[in-house]
This record gives sequence, C-alpha cells and structure tokens, in this order.
Amino acid sequence: AQSVTQLDSQVPVFEEAPVELRCNYSSSVSVYLFWYVQYPNQGLQLLLKYLSGSTLVKGINGFEAEFNKSQTSFHLRKPSVHISDTAEYFCAVSDPWGYSTLTFGKGTMLLVSP
Amino acid sequence: AAGVIQSPRHLIKEKRETATLKCYPIPRHDTVYWYQQGPGQDPQFLISFYEKMQSDKGSIPDRFSAQQFSDYHSELNMSSLELGDSALYFCASSLDGSRGQYFGPGTRLTVT
Repeated sequence: AQSVTQLDSQVPVFEEAPVELRCNYSSSVSVYLFWYVQYPNQGLQLLLKYLSGSTLVKGINGFEAEFNKSQTSFHLRKPSVHISDTAEYFCAVSDPWGYSTLTFGKGTMLLVSP
Repeated sequence: AAGVIQSPRHLIKEKRETATLKCYPIPRHDTVYWYQQGPGQDPQFLISFYEKMQSDKGSIPDRFSAQQFSDYHSELNMSSLELGDSALYFCASSLDGSRGQYFGPGTRLTVT
C-alpha cells in the first residue's frame, strides 16, 4: 500500500519570499508523483508531475519539485510567492500503470500575506 | 480546452433520500474516477471506470453505486443518504495514468 505524508498542515509566508512544501511518500514499488492545488471552493488543478527521468520537474505558476528517491521525497518549491498562491496544496502518488488511483496526502495550506 | 464537467454543482438532500451525481470526462479520456472530500480532508478515492468497466474500488459505501455509460459519462448514485455523506464529490478523468488525472469542479452535497 502507498501513503503520502505532508509534514506541514499550514505554511505561512510573506509575499515574494521563497517557499518549500514538504512531501514524503511510502511505496514498495516505483510510483508516479503529483502536486495538485485547490483554491477555495474550487476543484483540484494539476501543478506538476514526476514520472521518470530528470528529478527536477517544472510546473505551472512558477512551481517546481524535486524527486529524491533515497529520501522518498517530492518537495514543492517556488522562489517567490504571490498573494494569489494562497491555497491548499496536495501531494499525491499513484502506481505507474494506466488507470491507477491517486492516494493523497492530508494537504498543506499555504498562506501568503503582504 | 475542454474540462471535466460535473452536475449539479450544489445539491441539498434530506436524510434517507437519494442523489445522483453526473460527470462528463474530457473528450477521448477513457478513465473516470470518483473521489469524496470531507470538510478539511484530503480526497478519498471511491471508484473508477476504464472503458466503461469498473477498474478499481476504494472506500465506497454499499449504499453508493456508479457506472460509466457508452458516451463515457459517469453517474454516482447515492441512496439512504446520511449526514456524514455531506462532502465535496469530485470526478476526474485521464487518458492514461502517466498524464495525471484532471479534476472537475466538484459537486457539493449537503445532507440535512
């Protein structure tokens, strides 16, 4: 069975500061890794994904994540956040085949203040 | 670009009533997933369909059933509703797992 741990339930940060949202996973097989963002009262939007290859993955809205197999981590980073980045961020994992389901972490609320 | 469509967006039902949620996947996507997100919770997988056949089953109560039709749209049927069923229900679709799942806006179900 797979599991995802997001170590921080809430991360407060000032506008234009860098941020890192932490994600660790547990799986006995290789996995696909994803980050989703959920704005208030909205659905989940795919930010980025890691399937294989380069461990540094770039996504939308200036976010990037780095896959570290030895530490089983997939931390999300942004060098300079905006107020509009305030949202809930979910890390998710799936098996690396066709129609595997997603297992989500508990989410991290990113709170950006002026 | 076309996105996943869910209807209705909001639904209010009383205890013991039934509800039907609909999902229209992105065109050409062959897999549909249903998730339930309780207040302040992460999404929990309920059930999925690949090419109109059930492909996986998660924590879906026996009171719930779902199917995918020939036009690939899917419906989640919920009977004997309980207060604890109040949640946001997401549908997602994918072409294959490597491209990620694309989520609809969700249906907010409130059971009173």
